[in-house]
Amino acid sequence: SQKIEQNSEALNIQEGKTATLTCNYTNYSPAYLQWYRQDPGRGPVFLLLIRENEKEKRKERLKVTFDTTLKQSLFHITASQPADSATYLCALDPSGGYNKLIFGAGTRLAVHP
Amino acid sequence: DAEITQSPRHKITETGRQVTLACHQTWNHNNMFWYRQDLGHGLRLIHYSYGVQDTNKGEVSDGYSVSRSNTEDLPLTLESAASSQTSVYFCASSESGREETQYFGPGTRLLVL
Repeated sequence: SQKIEQNSEALNIQEGKTATLTCNYTNYSPAYLQWYRQDPGRGPVFLLLIRENEKEKRKERLKVTFDTTLKQSLFHITASQPADSATYLCALDPSGGYNKLIFGAGTRLAVHP
Repeated sequence: DAEITQSPRHKITETGRQVTLACHQTWNHNNMFWYRQDLGHGLRLIHYSYGVQDTNKGEVSDGYSVSRSNTEDLPLTLESAASSQTSVYFCASSESGREETQYFGPGTRLLVL
């Protein structure tokens, strides 16, 4: 069966450290993968998109990698801040470009001062 | 500024009643989506539309219907509400085409008693 898996347990880290979140998928061959941030009581907000031919994508303190052999994407936040505390969702499009996204359940990140 | 809104934000209803959740976007996007979000399951696609008069079933469409009479609105109707439909519902929209990000509304929290 097709699955997207993210760490179900919350990730707790100290301010200033690098947070690394994992997204694994099976039985998909996505052309790209997206990461979203969701704060409590709010809708998800888009952060980054990475294509299958891109190994790495950066935006400010965020970095995403995409390994199509391992079927895995890693999401890094460097120099983390308490304001980075949120749930992070990965999503991929198995519909061949029709933008019908499948989401992982998300990983909650808590950054402590 | 363009936005996507949902109403009501909170709703309590009884089993068997028909309920309609509204979604309105001013992005002028062709694509619109309805998701439900439950603990441990992440976002699951209910219905989606690629344009006026176009509607399609998603992963968890049983008991739900949508209609698309204009570009801006995609109301979601629960024909006969069931306790299993207690959830948080999110509407999203996107441009047509590949690699488009989705813009989410603030969500509707629905409780079916």
